[in-house]
Amino acid sequence: QVQLQESGPGLVKPSQTLSLTCIVSGGSISSGSYYWSWIRQSAGQGLEWIGRFKTSGSTKYNPSLKSRVTISVDTSKNQLSLTLSSVTAADTAVYYCVRERPGSNWFDPWGQGTLVTVSS
Amino acid sequence: DIQLTQSPSSLSASVGDRVTINCRASQGISNYLNWYQQRPGEAPKLLIYSASTLQTGVPSRFSGRGSGTDFTLTISSLQPEDFATYYCQQGFSSTLTTFGQGTRLDI
Repeated sequence: QVQLQESGPGLVKPSQTLSLTCIVSGGSISSGSYYWSWIRQSAGQGLEWIGRFKTSGSTKYNPSLKSRVTISVDTSKNQLSLTLSSVTAADTAVYYCVRERPGSNWFDPWGQGTLVTVSS
Repeated sequence: DIQLTQSPSSLSASVGDRVTINCRASQGISNYLNWYQQRPGEAPKLLIYSASTLQTGVPSRFSGRGSGTDFTLTISSLQPEDFATYYCQQGFSSTLTTFGQGTRLDI
């Protein structure tokens, strides 16, 4: 079955750019049947959807993060990426990559998550 | 944005109990409502989608109901592994999907 594994630096300085990758195994990220999303979870904000990549090449972002977020896919590596610029302490969270079902927009499976702390 | 309000925020119960968790949407969302379980230290896991459809592999003691603005997740007979936090999520607005604040289920 499909599995997702996030990776990236656990500590990012304020005002810098957070960059994470997610390796998809057990299935092709190019499959047109699904979208690929990032979700984060912090103590203060709960679960927050960051954005999604569609295999058509289009993206959709949470309006509250849109100006700072980029989600992309490298089909040759079967990999999803997230960049979030100008980070602050409010961006400290566990970041998950997830597969999203179009239409009903449910999320399954989830990666194990990676904790990113923003601190100097 | 569509807001989801879960109640209660926390709940204490015993093995074998029947429990119900509520999720109310700030506007009608048809049946575009999904439920997740999150155990400590783990990622959320999809339990139910489209309000009432059990995800493959999820025990039949879990069930979901509702449409429009009011939804419920029921666990018919609590098992030790069910003590976790439960979240609802609306997929009606694909431009901004949102989650409830969670319901913590304790022993």
